[in-house]
Amino acid sequence: GAVVSQHPSWVICKSGTSVKIECRSLDFQATTMFWYRQFPKQSLMLMATSNEGSKATYEQGVEKDKFLINHASLTLSTLTVTSAHPEDSSFYICSAREVTGYGYTFGSGTRLTVV
Amino acid sequence: AQTVTQSQPEMSVQEAETVTLSCTYDTSENNYYLFWYKQPPSRQMILVIRQEAYKQQNATENRFSVNFQKAAKSFSLKISDSQLGDTAMYFCAFLGAQGAQKLVFGQGTRLTINP
Repeated sequence: GAVVSQHPSWVICKSGTSVKIECRSLDFQATTMFWYRQFPKQSLMLMATSNEGSKATYEQGVEKDKFLINHASLTLSTLTVTSAHPEDSSFYICSAREVTGYGYTFGSGTRLTVV
Repeated sequence: AQTVTQSQPEMSVQEAETVTLSCTYDTSENNYYLFWYKQPPSRQMILVIRQEAYKQQNATENRFSVNFQKAAKSFSLKISDSQLGDTAMYFCAFLGAQGAQKLVFGQGTRLTINP
């Protein structure tokens, strides 16, 4: 079945630094990828929609300059958390939609801790 | 905008019992898709079952089945012969056939299967 690889699975960084999270579709092409944030014991909150070859569409309230998204190919989207602060600590999950059909596959998530 | 509501924050049953998780949604669209996702302690999102709104027949996947009531905008998940491995967060999700193609998630139900 469709597989989405997300790396790293966890990362610890210092305040003020930037962190990049990768999301790759391994066996299918994904024109659209989605980035979510999940707080403990809560649902997934959509941050942005990443479209291959074009700018990402951010949800209301999400700072586009802090959460940079790049979708340069049909198999790779990246989320960069810039100038990270402790309040950015969270669980980030990506999801890829297959080019055909309505299948959505999720990455295994990245736990970000900013100290 | 579409909304998805899961009114049961937590549920707990004994192993081998049957349990039903509730989900209601609100939409003005006629064509859409509904999903149940499972998120075990590993936090990997796993698709449990999917239903197309244009299909009257309820979807089933082994021990998992749904009761889709389109007029009532209800989409409950029944787990038969529950197993310890079914312990997880369960999220109901809506996907419209038109527009931005974003999954809309419910708040989640934390299901615990007790031995």
